Amino acid sequence: AQSVTQLDSQVPVFEEAPVELRCNYSSSVSVYLFWYVQYPNQGLQLLLKYLSGSTLVKGINGFEAEFNKSQTSFHLRKPSVHISDTAEYFCAAFIQGAQKLVFGQGTRLTINP
Amino acid sequence: DTAVSQTPKYLVTQMGNDKSIKCEQNLGHDTMYWYKQDSKKFLKIMFSYNNKELIINETVPNRFSPKSPDKAHLNLHINSLELGDSAVYFCASSQAGTTYNEQFFGPGTRLTVL
Repeated sequence: AQSVTQLDSQVPVFEEAPVELRCNYSSSVSVYLFWYVQYPNQGLQLLLKYLSGSTLVKGINGFEAEFNKSQTSFHLRKPSVHISDTAEYFCAAFIQGAQKLVFGQGTRLTINP
Repeated sequence: DTAVSQTPKYLVTQMGNDKSIKCEQNLGHDTMYWYKQDSKKFLKIMFSYNNKELIINETVPNRFSPKSPDKAHLNLHINSLELGDSAVYFCASSQAGTTYNEQFFGPGTRLTVL
């Protein structure tokens, strides 16, 4: 079965500190991987995506993620966070064949001043 | 212009009632989806439609019935509402036929069943 696991339900960090949000996927078929952000009381916005090619993917708002096939991971990173990055972050995998997005449980990123 | 819109944004109703949530996209996409986000923020697909045809139905109770009058609209009708139906429901759309499935999400409808 295909699944996506986000290893941390909550990540508190101080402003201007680096952050990494972890995501692992399990699939026997090729996947496309995504990170979405959900700001309070809003819908989901695409941060970045991995389809193929370079394993380091850059997204909006200074975020980047690295696809690691051997570790089946797609961790999200930002070198210096801002208060405005406070949100829920979702890792997702598009499972070919099933033609659907499978989401992780979400990670709440809280930025402290 | 809003790409994917949903109405209403908030819906409070009594158990046993029937309610509908509407979704419209102006992106020209031909595939639309409904997701349910529970109180723990877990997101799970419920349905997907491609060109008004049901593609995915993820073991959702029969009380939930999606209806797609045209490619730009996918409505969700819920009969005999139960307490457990309280959640945020998100509509999304994408363009089929591409090599990947980038989905654009609506702002969500928060349903509260009392």
